[in-house]
Amino acid sequence: SQTIHQWPATLVQPVGSPLSLECTVEGTSNPNLYWYRQAAGRGLQLLFYSVGIGQISSEVPQNLSASRPQDRQFILSSKKLLLSDSGFYLCAWGKTGGTDTQYFGPGTRLTVL
Amino acid sequence: GNSVTQMEGPVTLSEEAFLTINCTYTATGYPSLFWYVQYPGEGLQLLLKATKADDKGSNKGFEATYRKETTSFHLEKGSVQVSDSAVYFCALSALPSNDYKLSFGAGTTVTVRA
Repeated sequence: SQTIHQWPATLVQPVGSPLSLECTVEGTSNPNLYWYRQAAGRGLQLLFYSVGIGQISSEVPQNLSASRPQDRQFILSSKKLLLSDSGFYLCAWGKTGGTDTQYFGPGTRLTVL
Repeated sequence: GNSVTQMEGPVTLSEEAFLTINCTYTATGYPSLFWYVQYPGEGLQLLLKATKADDKGSNKGFEATYRKETTSFHLEKGSVQVSDSAVYFCALSALPSNDYKLSFGAGTTVTVRA
């Protein structure tokens, strides 16, 4: 069966510090991968998605970036965090060429102070 | 473009009450429709889905029917429990596409009181 992991689970960072969030998927190959952000009391905002290694599409211009160094690894980064980057970050995967269902990880709670 | 509109919350119910969360959509082509549930502090879980008109998705006592004529996918449960307290998201897939992006509604917060 497939599983998706995210870490860390929670993170408190000062403004201006760097960020690296990691997501890994097990039990499948060549998945589509997604990063979402959920601000407090708000809906989901798609940030990035990837259909293959090194292929990243950005949905919203911002100070975040994403990378996919391996088939089942997706990383969200920032060089300098802003207060507005606080939120709940969710990674998701979907099957390439299969169903269009997305399966979500447990999320990372980021607080920027 | 594709979009999803959900009824605004929060919704507060007593145990054993009937729950309906309205969801309507705008899409080109024939999208798949989903309901996801998010329990406090957790990620989203797929609750149910339907891939074509008149399909009924069901899981854990929840049901939703894909109505093409009214472009709706309303979520229902006949008798809610305290454990159903969560945020519910309606979503659709932007097919045809090779990246399977989902369009989500804003989410509806449901609180069930004992």
